[in-house]
Amino acid sequence: DAGVIQSPRHEVTEMGQEVTLRCKPISGHDYLFWYRQTMMRGLELLIYFNNNVPIDDSGMPEDRFSAKMPNASFSTLKIQPSEPRDSAVYFCASSLRGVVNNEQFFGPGTRLTVL
Amino acid sequence: GESVGLHLPTLSVQEGDNSIINCAYSNSASDYFIWYKQESGKGPQFIIDIRSNMDKRQGQRVTVLLNKTVKHLSLQIAATQPGDSAVYFCAENTGGFKTIFGAGTRLFVKA
Repeated sequence: DAGVIQSPRHEVTEMGQEVTLRCKPISGHDYLFWYRQTMMRGLELLIYFNNNVPIDDSGMPEDRFSAKMPNASFSTLKIQPSEPRDSAVYFCASSLRGVVNNEQFFGPGTRLTVL
Repeated sequence: GESVGLHLPTLSVQEGDNSIINCAYSNSASDYFIWYKQESGKGPQFIIDIRSNMDKRQGQRVTVLLNKTVKHLSLQIAATQPGDSAVYFCAENTGGFKTIFGAGTRLFVKA
């Protein structure tokens, strides 16, 4: 398995533009997570899905952020309009609920810079 | 509120020595704890986990200790190698999958 795939790896955009980040989880995993990582706030959980259904979106900063999971193999995180303070590395992770552990497998991340 | 914090933001050790990374958590209801390793330019990678009904768990060169009395978690790395240089995060779950990560500790291994 190729692991969690994220695209793009780097995104530079101007304030006010729409940004869409993409994620392909590991095949068979039924949980998908979106995280944001910054120096100031560390690694923050934004939202997670179970079987394509959003379970907890309490970490989504504001209405400018939205996430969808139309099927088991694809998810998007959209920011519209983007602002400079959204600059961060965004990680997608997936997991298979198990008895032993809840290990999350992280993708390589998307580094977003909003100018 | 719920939080996971680290005592030491950076740790520098000599190659071959043992490393100990500490973590404090505040939510007594947390029942599952994980250590992740993050190398530069990569996403966090699972190292080892422990459930609240245990106080020690060992893996390959790593040991996690859990002290629920003082809400403290530690990661011990034996015979630290240059490849262990990374940022280490502790994380906690309070039932379910909502994971709260600590601030992270950067480990430097001197050759």
